[in-house]
Amino acid sequence: KQEVTQIPAALSVPEGENLVLNCSFTDSAIYNLQWFRQDPGKGLTSLLLIQSSQREQTSGRLNASLDKSSGRSTLYIAASQPGDSATYLCAVTGGGKLIFGQGTELSVKP
Amino acid sequence: DTAVSQTPKYLVTQMGNDKSIKCEQNLGHDTMYWYKQDSKKFLKIMFSYNNKELIINETVPNRFSPKSPDKAHLNLHINSLELGDSAVYFCASSQDPGGGAAGELFFGEGSRLTVL
Repeated sequence: KQEVTQIPAALSVPEGENLVLNCSFTDSAIYNLQWFRQDPGKGLTSLLLIQSSQREQTSGRLNASLDKSSGRSTLYIAASQPGDSATYLCAVTGGGKLIFGQGTELSVKP
Repeated sequence: DTAVSQTPKYLVTQMGNDKSIKCEQNLGHDTMYWYKQDSKKFLKIMFSYNNKELIINETVPNRFSPKSPDKAHLNLHINSLELGDSAVYFCASSQDPGGGAAGELFFGEGSRLTVL
């Protein structure tokens, strides 16, 4: 049974800092790994999708990596801004469904 | 235009009532999903439909009945509501349920259900 874990559960950093969010999964037989952002009281916004054959994806200040063999993904956020404050969710696709981690709640202080 | 839209956004009701949440996507996707986010913010899949056919049913009480009248719509009907049904319900869609870029999920804004 696939399980997804995100560390840390919460993170507070000063503005401008580079940071890394971690995601691990137990079953390497995945189709995709997707990173989402969720603002309080809002839906999920897709940030990056990494297909199983890919090693990383980049979008602006965000870079996500995937190491299927070790069951790990990282989301790197460069030069963090207060507007980056949100919960970041990692999810893996397998068997036609997306399995989510518990999320990392990020707070970027001005 | 909103890609995945859900109505209502908020729903407050009494225990024992029956309620429905509607979802529509204008992305031309073949696959739609219902996810439940509990009070601890954990998201878990409930149902998945591909081309109007049920493909995933995750040990959800049979008081929950999804219906997909066409590929663009997936509604969720809940009978005999219980306190534990209080949660945020998210609808999502993807081009198909597999991998690759076609498997990317897009979510609606959520419907917050409160059962009193």
